[in-house]
Amino acid sequence: AQSVTQLGSHVSVSEGALVLLRCNYSSSVPPYLFWYVQYPNQGLQLLLKYTTGATLVKGINGFEAEFKKSETSFHLTKPSAHMSDAAEYFCAVSGGAGGTSYGKLTFGQGTILTVHP
Amino acid sequence: EAQVTQNPRYLITVTGKKLTVTCSQNMNHEYMSWYRQDPGLGLRQIYYSMNVEVTDKGDVPEGYKVSRKEKRNFPLILESPSPNQTSLYFCASTPGTGLNEQFFGPGTRLTVL
Repeated sequence: AQSVTQLGSHVSVSEGALVLLRCNYSSSVPPYLFWYVQYPNQGLQLLLKYTTGATLVKGINGFEAEFKKSETSFHLTKPSAHMSDAAEYFCAVSGGAGGTSYGKLTFGQGTILTVHP
Repeated sequence: EAQVTQNPRYLITVTGKKLTVTCSQNMNHEYMSWYRQDPGLGLRQIYYSMNVEVTDKGDVPEGYKVSRKEKRNFPLILESPSPNQTSLYFCASTPGTGLNEQFFGPGTRLTVL
């Protein structure tokens, strides 16, 4: 079984401030981890993903996330928020190859990011 | 252009009137899924298909049917829609590799009165 918990359904930051969106997961097999972004009235777009290898993953639009196995976390950060970052962000986990959850993507509840001028 | 398409994008219907939401992908992906998105609940998987004629239930399959007769198409069928199926629906596809990156369609907003 796998699950994802995103801490904080709403996060508000000022433009230029650090963005930190928290994600904790549980998985019975080594996980594949994803962050997706959803802009208003649009579908989901992949921001970044972790499968294997380097634990610090860089994505689009200046976002990055670090896989910490000991903390079962995959928090999303961006050093300086921009107004265009306002959106809803979803963390997701998928079982890796060989597990019964292979191909099954489980999402967190989502975090709405608001950026103030 | 590689993409996942869904139709219709918006649909208002009445309780009990059968409907189908189509989903098509042009990337030759083996794996396709349907999700529903509800506020505060994120996306929940309804059904998925690992290949032609191979489908299985996700987390919230009640009230839905799917079929996978061709690799590119994966329609979602609501035989007798009810108001609690009012939601935003997304179709997604992924290649049959270990990366599991899913490509999402634009969404279908369904309202059942």
